[in-house]
Amino acid sequence: LAKTTQPISMDSYEGQEVNITCSHNNIATNDYITWYQQFPSQGPRFIIQGYKTKVTNEVASLFIPADRKSSTLSLPRVSLSDTAVYYCLVGFFNQAGTALIFGKGTTLSVSS
Amino acid sequence: EAGVTQFPSHSVIEKGQTVTLRCDPISGHDNLYWYRRVMGKEIKFLLHFVKESKQDESGMPNNRFLAERTGGTYSTLKVQPAELEDSGVYFCASSPNSGASSTDTQYFGPGTRLTVL
Repeated sequence: LAKTTQPISMDSYEGQEVNITCSHNNIATNDYITWYQQFPSQGPRFIIQGYKTKVTNEVASLFIPADRKSSTLSLPRVSLSDTAVYYCLVGFFNQAGTALIFGKGTTLSVSS
Repeated sequence: EAGVTQFPSHSVIEKGQTVTLRCDPISGHDNLYWYRRVMGKEIKFLLHFVKESKQDESGMPNNRFLAERTGGTYSTLKVQPAELEDSGVYFCASSPNSGASSTDTQYFGPGTRLTVL
């Protein structure tokens, strides 16, 4: 899996849009970009995955530029409950299953 | 649909004792993974089962750790004898055999917090 770089921490207020950018300069052609979220005392939870351009689901949006060397996770109108650690993972997940390699993640703190 | 469950949620043992952690994956998921996070470090991969077979155990730290998945359902991770550095949170995750690349979403359990005194 490709090495990723993301901010160590971010602070936000409720109702704001939060954008977390992840750098992955060595992304390979077949690699996908996946984000996981982890609340305290819980296991990581899949948020979103994409290959290029933009992906949106009920939780977040993922923006991927044409060169795919970075990606941005966008959380619209965050609430206190979005306080968590967010992990960016890049790799090719084959059908035989793939071990995930977690970095330090970005700790997002949302306050009122 | 029930999620991934782990037992116990927390275990406190003394150095030299044995502990067995259990993971029940989501029903029907062929892939089962064990990860752990020791204090202040990143979450690290330990091993990966496909059904009852060990697909990849490259992350197992040493031979004091033994994982099994008899019958391809639940899995156990035994630490014998436990050492102080084994303290941490042990996560289990499962995923279906999607038959397609790129979408191997893993569903994590809440973890077992192991404290070795």
